[in-house]
Amino acid sequence: AQSVTQPDIHITVSEGASLELRCNYSYGATPYLFWYVQSPGQGLQLLLKYFSGDTLVQGIKGFEAEFKRSQSSFNLRKPSVHWSDAAEYFCAVGAQGGSYIPTFGRGTSLIVHP
Amino acid sequence: SQTIHQWPATLVQPVGSPLSLECTVEGTSNPNLYWYRQAAGRGLQLLFYSVGIGQISSEVPQNLSASRPQDRQFILSSKKLLLSDSGFYLCAWSVGQGSQPQHFGDGTRLSIL
Repeated sequence: AQSVTQPDIHITVSEGASLELRCNYSYGATPYLFWYVQSPGQGLQLLLKYFSGDTLVQGIKGFEAEFKRSQSSFNLRKPSVHWSDAAEYFCAVGAQGGSYIPTFGRGTSLIVHP
Repeated sequence: SQTIHQWPATLVQPVGSPLSLECTVEGTSNPNLYWYRQAAGRGLQLLFYSVGIGQISSEVPQNLSASRPQDRQFILSSKKLLLSDSGFYLCAWSVGQGSQPQHFGDGTRLSIL
């Protein structure tokens, strides 16, 4: 069965600093990978996705993520964080093998200090 | 373009009262539809999903139920709410299978008194 681990429950960064949110997955084949962002009191918004090809994918709001098969990781990065990036971030593995159910990580809460 | 609507945005209900949350999708046909719940400070818990009209799969035993009376309408219901039903409820849709992302509504904040 597939699984997703986001090791950090909370991450605190200063505005303008770089950011990396970790995501590790467990799946036998090449996974479909996603990052979502959730602002307080709102639904989840898709930031970016990886299906195949270039392992560095660009997303909205200046985010990027890199798929590393050898490390089973799909870490999210941003070179300079803005205060408006404070939110909950979810990594997900898409449904596989005829299933319609994706697997989400528990989420990482990003706190941005001025 | 596709849109998803969830209502109401907030709801305060007494214990033992019924519940009906509605979700509709526009701009796509035969979507997969999902209901999730988020408890405070926790991740997403999948409650129900549906791949077609009248087809409902339940992931967690509970006093909630779901129905899909039309292709793009998904309803979450309860006959008698419990305190533990409090939370943030999210509806989502997708098309096809796992290679496609999910698209979420703005959620309903449900408080049980």
